[in-house]
Amino acid sequence: AQTVTQSQPEMSVQEAETVTLSCTYDTSESDYYLFWYKQPPSRQMILVIRQEAYKQQNATENRFSVNFQKAAKSFSLKISDSQLGDAAMYFCAYRRIGNMLTFGGGTRLMVKP
Amino acid sequence: DTGVSQDPRHKITKRGQNVTFRCDPISEHNRLYWYRQTLGQGPEFLTYFQNEAQLEKSRLLSDRFSAERPKGSFSTLEIQRTEQGDSAMYLCASSSPDDAGNTIYFGEGSWLTVV
Repeated sequence: AQTVTQSQPEMSVQEAETVTLSCTYDTSESDYYLFWYKQPPSRQMILVIRQEAYKQQNATENRFSVNFQKAAKSFSLKISDSQLGDAAMYFCAYRRIGNMLTFGGGTRLMVKP
Repeated sequence: DTGVSQDPRHKITKRGQNVTFRCDPISEHNRLYWYRQTLGQGPEFLTYFQNEAQLEKSRLLSDRFSAERPKGSFSTLEIQRTEQGDSAMYLCASSSPDDAGNTIYFGEGSWLTVV
């Protein structure tokens, strides 16, 4: 079974600074997808960024980028120029092709003004 | 398209009562998923459908839980004889196999409180 681990229950960042959230996963598959979802206090899960395992290039979406290390099974999220609206729970998730998502336990990100 | 829609958003029920949640996926999404999330935890997979077929069920889905998707469109999740441990957010999500990124889109969730 696949497992996803987020070792940081809480993180804090100063507004406009950069923060990195960690995620590791365990799988025997070679082809899969990885995601970061954001869940603000309103509780709707919103996709932040995704990475296909077959791609070596790290995904980037505006201020959000990932560091995907396939051999190490590591998938960290970097948020640059942090904004107050970035405060939320962040979940790392793994998905085998055509299958369901497996989530990590989440990291609560606080942004200080 | 308004996204994944769930109803009701909040439900308070007495222990032992039955409750039913409804999910309307994004149009043309043939896959539909149910997850459960408790406070401070990540969502846990319950079950998923491809069209009307229920393809996988988690061990978390006890005999008191049943999910249906009779016409391959909306889905219902029923919990019979509710227990306090059933209190959680029930999340519905959908995806299309044509989505190149295999992205799963979530609804706002249905929050259940069992008293």
